[in-house]
Amino acid sequence: GAGVSQSPRYKVAKRGQDVALRCDPISGHVSLFWYQQALGQGPEFLTYFQNEAQLDKSGLPSDRFFAERPEGSVSTLKIQRTQQEDSAVYLCASSLRLDNEQFFGPGTRLTVL
Amino acid sequence: RKEVEQDPGPFNVPEGATVAFNCTYSNSASQSFFWYRQDCRKEPKLLMSVYSSGNEDGRFTAQLNRASQYISLLIRDSKLSDSATYLCVVQRGNTPLVFGKGTRLSVIA
Repeated sequence: GAGVSQSPRYKVAKRGQDVALRCDPISGHVSLFWYQQALGQGPEFLTYFQNEAQLDKSGLPSDRFFAERPEGSVSTLKIQRTQQEDSAVYLCASSLRLDNEQFFGPGTRLTVL
Repeated sequence: RKEVEQDPGPFNVPEGATVAFNCTYSNSASQSFFWYRQDCRKEPKLLMSVYSSGNEDGRFTAQLNRASQYISLLIRDSKLSDSATYLCVVQRGNTPLVFGKGTRLSVIA
């Protein structure tokens, strides 16, 4: 069976551009998480969904970051007016339920010039 | 202070060596504990959960000391393929995972 997939795998943006990162979770997984991993750091929580409901967005660094999962499956993380400090790998993970093992996608490496 | 602290390394060890990583966590409400492995430019993958009684999976042994808020991972008979970053992870109830920065291991032939 397919794992978590993310697209694009790599994204280069000019400062000020908007970007959209997509996550396809494992089919049937109710919980979906977004993490940001800067170089040399561990993943840091951004936000998570239970089906289509965004239950926690406390990790989003600013109001330029927005995530949605309108049909409870695919999720999109949008970053408006990108800044250099947004450069990182954005990881998506899904789990059957919140307290089950999280399976990570390969990530999207975002570079803001 | 970060919620989960790890020595970033790198730990450079010869094949066959035994190596131990330590991790401390600051939130006493943490209830679940894990070690994840992350290869270079790859996603994290669950290596093992950590239980209060300690647990072993082949060459890997994990220990938890709740009183000291300390978690360890021991790797025996290191293989070249063990080279990776090992992430210490804690969780409070049904909340998202909190990761440490990771400890880098290089096993040398």
